[in-house]
Parts: sequence; C-alpha cells; structure tokens
Amino acid sequence: AQRVTQPEKLLSVFKGAPVELKCNYSYSGSPELFWYVQYSRQRLQLLLRHISRESIKGFTADLNKGETSFHLKKPFAQEEDSAMYYCALNRRLEGGSEKLVFGKGTKLTVNP
Amino acid sequence: DGGITQSPKYLFRKEGQNVTLSCEQNLNHDAMYWYRQDPGQGLRLIYYSQIVNDFQKGDIAEGYSVSREKKESFPLTVTSAQKNPTAFYLCASRQHPAGYTFGSGTRLTVV
Repeated sequence: AQRVTQPEKLLSVFKGAPVELKCNYSYSGSPELFWYVQYSRQRLQLLLRHISRESIKGFTADLNKGETSFHLKKPFAQEEDSAMYYCALNRRLEGGSEKLVFGKGTKLTVNP
Repeated sequence: DGGITQSPKYLFRKEGQNVTLSCEQNLNHDAMYWYRQDPGQGLRLIYYSQIVNDFQKGDIAEGYSVSREKKESFPLTVTSAQKNPTAFYLCASRQHPAGYTFGSGTRLTVV
C-alpha cells in the first residue's frame, strides 16, 4: 500500500538550532514527493517538491530511495518556521488520474 | 490573480441538514480534489475529479457527494448521512507537472 509516515507528531527546537522533520514513504514505482506547510490560520502552501530540488525559506529535502525517506531539513530554525508540516506522495492511478497522499503531519515549534 | 476560492470560510450545520461547500478555481486546472483535515489525522481524500462531468470516490467518500459541471467549479455536499462532519475542508487543484494548489478552507461545525 502506498503511504506516508511522519513519525513525529510534535517537534520543538530552539531558535538557531538545526531542525529535521522526518518523512518515510512506501510506493512501488518512482515517487513524486512534496512538503507542504500550514502556518496558523493560513492555507496549505507548497514548500518544496523533490523533482525541482530547490530550497525554499532555507529548507531542503533529499529523496533517499534506499531508505525510502524524504526528510525536511533546515540548518538554523527561525521562530517564523513554527507551523504544521505535511509530507505528501503523489500517487498515480489507472487511467492517468492521480491523487496526493498525506502523512499525518508534524507540528514544529521554534522557541525563542 | 489566479487561485482557488472556497466559500464560506465558516459554516454551521444543524443535525440532519445537507450543506454545500463551494470551490472555484481560475487556474484552468483539469483536476480538482476535496480533502478533509482533522487534528492528528492529516488530510484525507474525499472525492476527486480529473475532468468535467467525471469524478471518483476518495478514501472517505461516505456521506459526501460532488458534481463537476464546469471546469472551474467542484462543489462538495455534506449530507445528513455523514456521521461526523465537523472538520476543516480543503479544496485543491492541479495541472501536471505543477504542484497542487490549495484553497483557504471551510470550517464546518455541526450545532
């Protein structure tokens, strides 16, 4: 079954500390993975996707097919990074349709 | 400005009542989706539509219905059969290879 696992429900770090949000997936085929962020009372926003390999707001994520992981990292956390983070896998279906499968999310709190 | 508009932002429903949530996009995207967000559950797919006049059930379709009469519109009806409708509902759209775009959501509360 295709699924996404975010093992940490809550993660708390201090400002300036490195942060890593874990994401593991199971998928038969070549995965397309995303990280979405949801700040308090705001809409879900695309943070990054593995195929573009770009860095947004200092965050990076590398796809590790051997470990089936797509962990999100930032070397120096900022207070404004406090938010809910979702890892998601694009699942391709029969007939050319597709859908996004989400992990349960990790709530990141960056303390001053 | 291109985007997805969901309305209303807040909706209150009485027990046994059907309510319809609106989702409109001006991105010219073919595919549209409805997700339900609950604390600790992540986002779960209710219904999706790849083209006009076609839609499929997602993982938690029971108690919900949709229509896709126009490319830009994908309304979701929460019926009285939905046992626990209080949740945050998110609409999304996509045109491959771009990522998915989400609306700002509708918070539905049963009173």
